Amino acid sequence: EIVLTQSPGTLSLSPGERATLSCRASQSVSSSYLAWYQQKPGQAPRLLIYGASSRATGIPDRFSGSGSGTEFTLTISRLEPEDFAVYYCQQYGSSQYTFGQGTKLEIK
Amino acid sequence: EVQLVESGGGLVKPGGSLRLSCAASGFTFSSAWMSWVRQAPGKGLEWVGRIKSKTDGGTTDYAAPVKGRFTISRDDSKSTLSLQINSLKTEDTAVYYCTRIRSSSWFDYWGQGALVTVSS
Repeated sequence: EIVLTQSPGTLSLSPGERATLSCRASQSVSSSYLAWYQQKPGQAPRLLIYGASSRATGIPDRFSGSGSGTEFTLTISRLEPEDFAVYYCQQYGSSQYTFGQGTKLEIK
Repeated sequence: EVQLVESGGGLVKPGGSLRLSCAASGFTFSSAWMSWVRQAPGKGLEWVGRIKSKTDGGTTDYAAPVKGRFTISRDDSKSTLSLQINSLKTEDTAVYYCTRIRSSSWFDYWGQGALVTVSS
């Protein structure tokens, strides 16, 4: 099973700042099979990024994804108040899906 | 508009059974791979299992912690996904989300979730 490790666990930033979230895989992941989700309290997760770098429908262009192999990054260029939430990366391989443990993005 | 609506959650004693359902609409359900993802209170997301479309074989795969106790099935005539949970354990307490899988690999639509509480 591929383990995804996200860092940092908590990120404290102010609106307008740039956020960089990391997702490291225990073995190489196909970029086609790496996604990112946002979850706000009391809500279901929402797909942000798929295929490592493609934005899902309706996702603002301040969200971007990059990376390959075992290192992937979600970047939020200028934080808006509604961006403070928990973010998860997820991968698919060998008929199994795994999630990272999440990064909580909180207002500083 | 794609909609996934779970039902069937509730309070169950350890060792008991429960069946969750997910009513899908707004897309061609029979062509979709579907999955269940759960989230224990205050914890992260955990994939439970997946069922492929019948065109792709209709086969199922499960995460190791639930294999042998959980069974995913589908009724394409009713656009309904089901999750049969047996031999429930306290650690199965979670919100269970019904999700649609896109391109085999990511979850593009999620239901609102159904809470399953396992407690004596």
